[in-house]
Amino acid sequence: DVKVTQSSRYLVKRTGEKVFLECVQDMDHENMFWYRQDPGLGLRLIYFSYDVKMKEKGDIPEGYSVSREKKERFSLILESASTNQTSMYLCASSLLAGGVNEQFFGPGTRLTVL
Amino acid sequence: AQSVSQHNHHVILSEAASLELGCNYSYGGTVNLFWYVQYPGQHLQLLLKYFSGDPLVKGIKGFEAEFIKSKFSFNLRKPSVQWSDTAEYFCAVNTLASNYQLIWGAGTKLIIKP
Repeated sequence: DVKVTQSSRYLVKRTGEKVFLECVQDMDHENMFWYRQDPGLGLRLIYFSYDVKMKEKGDIPEGYSVSREKKERFSLILESASTNQTSMYLCASSLLAGGVNEQFFGPGTRLTVL
Repeated sequence: AQSVSQHNHHVILSEAASLELGCNYSYGGTVNLFWYVQYPGQHLQLLLKYFSGDPLVKGIKGFEAEFIKSKFSFNLRKPSVQWSDTAEYFCAVNTLASNYQLIWGAGTKLIIKP
């Protein structure tokens, strides 16, 4: 079974703090993704990576950055957290890019910014 | 811009009732279609997918979906729901135009009354 793990299930931070969310997958997948999930909006892609050190912006990259130094690990960074970044953050991985390749998801990190 | 519409945000059914959740997308070319499910407290997981061939696809746990190209639809069905089907269901699409990134619907929360 593919396993995607995220560093925290719940996180509470203060406005202006730097926040790191980490994601690790154990199936040697090429692609990794960060989404945020908000009620009534579905999932929105923040960033994705198709290879080590490669990254591409998704639909809502503003206020976020990412890092992929190793194939199995993909980090999402909030440089200066703001209250409108309170959300559920989901990491996913897939073997190959696009097409019918299934994305496998982690359990999510519920981030609250006070 | 491409989009995915799930018309019902909340659905409440009794056990043994039949289920149909609507999904419509806006794209005229070739599409790959997915239904994902998120059970309470669990990861998002793939329910079923369509990319070619028989437009009626079967997934896990007795779910099926029918691709109707003329209606730009990919509705999810189950003839008799169980309490354990209580979950949030997401329809997603990818296309060449989206660089095969998934475009997500807003989700439908399904509650099954025992």
